[in-house]
Amino acid sequence: GAVVSQHPSRVICKSGTSVKIECRSLDFQATTMFWYRQFPKQSLMLMATSNEGSKATYEQGVEKDKFLINHASLTLSTLTVTSAHPEDSSFYICSARVSPGTSGLDTQYFGPGTRLTVL
Amino acid sequence: GQNIDQPTEMTATEGAIVQINCTYQTSGFNGLFWYQQHAGEAPTFLSYNVLDGLEEKGRFSSFLSRSKGYSYLLLKELQMKDSASYLCAVMDSNYQLIWGAGTKLIIKP
Repeated sequence: GAVVSQHPSRVICKSGTSVKIECRSLDFQATTMFWYRQFPKQSLMLMATSNEGSKATYEQGVEKDKFLINHASLTLSTLTVTSAHPEDSSFYICSARVSPGTSGLDTQYFGPGTRLTVL
Repeated sequence: GQNIDQPTEMTATEGAIVQINCTYQTSGFNGLFWYQQHAGEAPTFLSYNVLDGLEEKGRFSSFLSRSKGYSYLLLKELQMKDSASYLCAVMDSNYQLIWGAGTKLIIKP
């Protein structure tokens, strides 16, 4: 199946610093990538939808100036958590959408996630 | 390596019961999740198991056997709206989610 990678897998930073997380589709092109956040034992929460070459669409309650998303190519999207604070500590997961094409199958492939700890 | 196996596709009849199996091999275990995902939408959380046994939530139940590396999601009284993909995911010793590819469930009238 299609592979999505995330880097870094784990990051610890000081409060007030910025952290960039990369999401790459390794063997396919993804016109749409999604960024999720997950707190322990809770569901994935969609943060934003990222379309290549255009501005990301943020879900209600997600600060777009704090969570900067760039989708510069068909295989790379980045999430930058700016001026991180302890409450931003969470598990961030990206997914890449494979277009239906002729199969009609609309599928998202998920990355392994990035655990962010802000001290 | 780490892997999660679940069937690619299943078909069931409205009103019936279906069981979606998931087997896993991971480095450590910190819980198993089931998600439902409708086409074009974000996944929604269904269940979380960390201890052996059956967890029941309305029409949905999830079972876990850690010794066997096995889980299943049981859906009862199937409705057409249950047509979706069902994702199994395991949190490993590093607290990273290892995802299955998902099982596409097709419900027929």
